[in-house]
Amino acid sequence: KAGVTQTPRYLIKTRGQQVTLSCSPISGHRSVSWYQQTPGQGLQFLFEYFSETQRNKGNFPGRFSGRQFSNSRSEMNVSTLELGDSALYLCASSLTFNEKLFFGSGTQLSVL
Amino acid sequence: AQSVTQLDSQVPVFEEAPVELRCNYSSSVSVYLFWYVQYPNQGLQLLLKYLSGSTLVKGINGFEAEFNKSQTSFHLRKPSVHISDTAEYFCAVSLLGGYQKVTFGTGTKLQVIP
Repeated sequence: KAGVTQTPRYLIKTRGQQVTLSCSPISGHRSVSWYQQTPGQGLQFLFEYFSETQRNKGNFPGRFSGRQFSNSRSEMNVSTLELGDSALYLCASSLTFNEKLFFGSGTQLSVL
Repeated sequence: AQSVTQLDSQVPVFEEAPVELRCNYSSSVSVYLFWYVQYPNQGLQLLLKYLSGSTLVKGINGFEAEFNKSQTSFHLRKPSVHISDTAEYFCAVSLLGGYQKVTFGTGTKLQVIP
């Protein structure tokens, strides 16, 4: 069974641009969560989707958005990039809520 | 709202020595508790979880954790560490019931010294 796949693995953008990150969950998993990881801050929760509906949202500005498709694949979008958005963005999937999370390897975003 | 505190950002320990990584949580209601491990350049993977029942939870790679409700702690222990245990460890908490987000601590880097 394939694991959680995140694309692309690395991204370099400049301030003001926008970016879209993709996450394909494990087959059969309906819940997808997104986290931002930075040194010293640990993992900051962005949002969680279950059956195409956003169930939870973290404390991030509206520039951060996401969606989930009918096949459970998810995308997150960051508009008007800022230097502080440089981070590792991790996606995790689970069968349902409150279940073990399976993480992808992440997308390393660098904003110059 | 729940929160997690990992007081130690880095823990150096000699190979074959015991280790304890501390985790305290804050919540007014019952919680699920987790420990995840992140090896360099990889995503996180679950070490163990506490949902209910016995307060001593055994996980993979010889790790175990003990849930202490009165002290709101969930410390991770291993009696004898190996070089391959060098990684970053994250404690996490989730509230019971419904669609609850998983909140992670800031992580503890375990460095095993040969």
